[in-house]
Amino acid sequence: GAVVSQHPSWVICKSGTSVKIECRSLDFQATTMFWYRQFPKQSLMLMATSNEGSKATYEQGVEKDKFLINHASLTLSTLTVTSAHPEDSSFYICSAQRLGGANTGELFFGEGSRLTVL
Amino acid sequence: KNQVEQSPQSLIILEGKNCTLQCNYTVSPFSNLRWYKQDTGRGPVSLTIMTFSENTKSNGRYTATLDADTKQSSLHITASQLSDSASYICVVSAPDYKLSFGAGTTVTVRA
Repeated sequence: GAVVSQHPSWVICKSGTSVKIECRSLDFQATTMFWYRQFPKQSLMLMATSNEGSKATYEQGVEKDKFLINHASLTLSTLTVTSAHPEDSSFYICSAQRLGGANTGELFFGEGSRLTVL
Repeated sequence: KNQVEQSPQSLIILEGKNCTLQCNYTVSPFSNLRWYKQDTGRGPVSLTIMTFSENTKSNGRYTATLDADTKQSSLHITASQLSDSASYICVVSAPDYKLSFGAGTTVTVRA
């Protein structure tokens, strides 16, 4: 079946540094990927929709200059948390939507990346 | 207002018992409805996908139902196991592939 891979699965960084998280669709092309964050015991919160070759669409309240999204190819989207602060510590998850062929529109999630900012 | 409402927000059940989770949506037009299971610290995993023409789909001990007329779906867990403890998320897709997410129901199964 289709697989979406996220890397790194966990990262610890110092306050003020930037962290990049990668999301790859391993066996299908994804023109659209989604980024979420999730705080403990809370549901997924959609942050932005990443479209290949164009600017990401951010949800209300999400700072686009803080959370940089790049979707340079049909299999890779990256989320960069710039100048991270402790309040950015969270679980970040990506998903990729497969379009075309069987099960078109099916959504696959990555395993998540846990960010801890000290 | 969220277009996908899930209830209850959380529930606790004893191992071996059954439970039913609800998902009501207002998304229209509607293409399909999906249920995902998310274990703590993991990404969500697909349980079922139903189009508007399907009214029930099973995946092992998980059975999803859909009433497209009333815009309601349920996920029934039979003979619950400790490993069923997770969050269950309802996702509704419009024909243009735009997705609407429910807030999820957290299920805790106790021995």
